[in-house]
Amino acid sequence: EDKVVQSPLSLVVHEGDTVTLNCSYEVTNFRSLLWYKQEKKAPTFLFMLTSSGIEKKSGRLSSILDKKELFSILNITATQTGDSAIYLCAVVKGDDKIIFGKGTRLHILP
Amino acid sequence: DVKVTQSSRYLVKRTGEKVFLECVQDMDHENMFWYRQDPGLGLRLIYFSYDVKMKEKGDIPEGYSVSREKKERFSLILESASTNQTSMYLCASSANREKLFFGSGTQLSVL
Repeated sequence: EDKVVQSPLSLVVHEGDTVTLNCSYEVTNFRSLLWYKQEKKAPTFLFMLTSSGIEKKSGRLSSILDKKELFSILNITATQTGDSAIYLCAVVKGDDKIIFGKGTRLHILP
Repeated sequence: DVKVTQSSRYLVKRTGEKVFLECVQDMDHENMFWYRQDPGLGLRLIYFSYDVKMKEKGDIPEGYSVSREKKERFSLILESASTNQTSMYLCASSANREKLFFGSGTQLSVL
């Protein structure tokens, strides 16, 4: 059975800390992996990863995919209170099916 | 800017009522999706559509139906709402069946 597992489920850190969010997957016919940030309601797109070892970066956020070990990480450096959100990982299969993880709830303390 | 609009942010209905959730996208995307999101369960796909008048069941279609009469509009219908359908409903659209653009969600409470 296909699955996407995110860890930790929740995390509380202080402003300025660096956090690493994990996403492991077991799916047949992997095509790509997506990261989303969900603050209030609508998840917003962060990154799409298709190739192993190539880091995607946007400001203080970065992500990398390891297709051999079947996982991805999302790093956030110098965290700010505005980074508080649920971070969702999703895997897209070759047949277009998208499987979401349960998300990591991140809370940044001022 | 990309926009997916859901007609209601909050909705309260009674058990047995017929409920319509509307979603409109302005990006000319062919693909549209309805998810529900529940604590501890994540996002689960209810239905999706790859073209006008086409629909496919997702992982949890029971108790729901959909309608796609126009490319920009995808409606989710609860024929007879039940309390276990209380949830956050998220609509999404996509050009390539990969990168999804989400609406702001509708929090539905069925009493």
